[in-house]
Amino acid sequence: QQQVKQSPQSLIVQKGGISIINCAYENTAFDYFPWYQQFPGKGPALLIAIRPDVSEKKEGRFTISFNKSAKQFSLHIMDSQPGDSATYFCAASRSGAQKLVFGQGTRLTINP
Amino acid sequence: GAVVSQHPSWVICKSGTSVKIECRSLDFQATTMFWYRQFPKQSLMLMATSNEGSKATYEQGVEKDKFLINHASLTLSTLTVTSAHPEDSSFYICSAPISYEQYFGPGTRLTVT
Repeated sequence: QQQVKQSPQSLIVQKGGISIINCAYENTAFDYFPWYQQFPGKGPALLIAIRPDVSEKKEGRFTISFNKSAKQFSLHIMDSQPGDSATYFCAASRSGAQKLVFGQGTRLTINP
Repeated sequence: GAVVSQHPSWVICKSGTSVKIECRSLDFQATTMFWYRQFPKQSLMLMATSNEGSKATYEQGVEKDKFLINHASLTLSTLTVTSAHPEDSSFYICSAPISYEQYFGPGTRLTVT
C-alpha cells in the first residue's frame, strides 16, 4: 500500500530525444506526486510536482502526466541534454503527513 | 528558494565512536524535519521524523537508541550515530518541508573505519 514502483531502473537516451520515466502507486490517499533529480554525491532537488486534480503539468522541458484511475504518473523530459544525466526519483505523499514515499530511482544517461 | 544545509558534508570516524550530523533550514522555520539514509545506487530510506519540541518518530526497523535525533530549534535538527560501525557507513540526507514541498540538504557522507 505504501509502495511507489518506478521503472525503468536505467535509461539511455540520445541527445535531443525524449526521456520517459514511469511510476505507479497503490495508496489512493496519496495526493502529492513530486519528481526529484539527484546528481552523484548531492541531495535530491525538487524538479516538478503535481496534485491529482490535474492530469498534466509542464515546466520548461519537464512534464508530468498523471492518470488517477490507473494510479500512474510519469515524467517526460523533452529535448534531453547531457546535463540531464542524473538519477531521478518519483515520490508520493498524503496531505498532512508530509512523509515522502520514494520510488526505486532511474539512472538516466543522455548520450551526446 | 528554500535552502537546507548539512554539516559536515563528509566525515570519517573509527568504529565505536559517535558522530553528530547537523541539518539547518537557512531561510525558513521547520517544526518537522526528516532524516533519510541512502546506500550506493539505492533509493532514499526514511529513518525518522524529527519534531521540534517533542520526540522523534522512528520508522520500523530503525534503532532509536543508535540514531539519536534532537530537534533543538525551529531551524536545527541533529542526528547522532552512536557507537558507529562500518555497516552504518552511508549517505545521510535531511529534508524540511514547506507545505507539501520537501527541500533536501546536500547530504553527509559517513564512513566508519
